[in-house]
Amino acid sequence: QVQLVQSGAEVKKPGASVNVSCKASGYTFTGYYLHWVRQAPGQGLEWMGWINPNSGVTNYAQNFQGRVTMTRDTSISTAYMELSRLISDDAAVYYCATERSRAADYWGQGTLVTVSS
Amino acid sequence: QSALTQPASVSGSPGQSITISCTGTSSDVGGHNYVSWYQQHPGKAPKLMIYEVSNRPSGVSNRFSGSKSGNTASLTISGLQAEDEADYYCSSFTSSSTPYVFGTGTKVTVL
Repeated sequence: QVQLVQSGAEVKKPGASVNVSCKASGYTFTGYYLHWVRQAPGQGLEWMGWINPNSGVTNYAQNFQGRVTMTRDTSISTAYMELSRLISDDAAVYYCATERSRAADYWGQGTLVTVSS
Repeated sequence: QSALTQPASVSGSPGQSITISCTGTSSDVGGHNYVSWYQQHPGKAPKLMIYEVSNRPSGVSNRFSGSKSGNTASLTISGLQAEDEADYYCSSFTSSSTPYVFGTGTKVTVL
């Protein structure tokens, strides 16, 4: 069965960077785009971008341009999302999800990122 | 790209039907048939309930149905059950530089 397993919770200081991983199993990793979505505490969902695991091509939301980098390592079926220059508003649960017909199909369990000095 | 507009809350009694609206523009909901709906229980990851406006992934109850008219999409839950109490989000592909946008979210309460 399809599984996306994300890395554990992180605590970062303002100005630092965070790197979240998403390990895929149960399907052909290079066959489906992988999206990143975040959710601040008590808030709604926010789309961050996607990566084509086959080509490495990415598409980032305008709000994150210049601060987010999505990469992948096909040898271990793992995608990564790095967010730099963290501010308090970046505190959120970060999710990865596979794509089906331009919808987010299978989701990871989420990674809590806390930003605190 | 502004978030799609959803009612903050909708409630209904067990067995009733409820409908959640999702209003966008001609650049997103009205311009594409890539509207999806997600259910999220507290502390859990979202779950895809509807994709391409009205398609259900396997395993999703047929009590959930989706539709669209103009710039507004809708999710209907029929035969409301206690387990349907959750937050629901719509999403749409867009023609803007940010290709996906989510709705503001709707809390469904089963009375």
